[in-house]
Amino acid sequence: DAGITQSPRHKVTETGTPVTLRCHQTENHRYMYWYRQDPGHGLRLIHYSYGVKDTDKGEVSDGYSVSRSKTEDFLLTLESATSSQTSVYFCAISTGQYNSPLHFGNGTRLTVT
Amino acid sequence: AQSVTQLDSQVPVFEEAPVELRCNYSSSVSVYLFWYVQYPNQGLQLLLKYLSGSTLVKGINGFEAEFNKSQTSFHLRKPSVHISDTAEYFCAVSTQGGSEKLVFGKGTKLTVNP
Repeated sequence: DAGITQSPRHKVTETGTPVTLRCHQTENHRYMYWYRQDPGHGLRLIHYSYGVKDTDKGEVSDGYSVSRSKTEDFLLTLESATSSQTSVYFCAISTGQYNSPLHFGNGTRLTVT
Repeated sequence: AQSVTQLDSQVPVFEEAPVELRCNYSSSVSVYLFWYVQYPNQGLQLLLKYLSGSTLVKGINGFEAEFNKSQTSFHLRKPSVHISDTAEYFCAVSTQGGSEKLVFGKGTKLTVNP
């Protein structure tokens, strides 16, 4: 399995509080991604990174920010959590080579009450 | 923009029966197609991919898929399923080569019953 660790695995937080999810990889892959998975919606891309300090928005980026200060770490921050951000969040990595597959972490289940 | 439709949200089958999970895509340009599998409480993992060449693609765990350009389909098949194949399956399409352009379908939950 690709070396991807997501933390925490579960989190319950209150509306309006900031939340940071962490993704750590040991594969030295250039690309890292944050997705959210919701029933009936499949996976939707939030943000991605193509290098240290290089990030871009995905399909559902509103309410989220990211940072990548080291190759191995990609942080997803919810500045002020809302109930609509209750979801399962997946980090993924890839080499960035032509159509290289995505390797996923095991997810973080976030509940905003 | 491309889109992906997985026609069945749930597929129940009996063990050792054949199964087909359907996927149709919409795109006006050349596509690259993928099937991912998600076991309970895990992330997704790649089953197989079509980039070019032979339209019949073989993947892990005995799965295969056939790219049909005229019908814009990429259906996943297995001739005989096992209990351990119970999982959710996602079809995905990309038209520009980069993984940031990958669009996922909504998923099909396959349940294999004894």
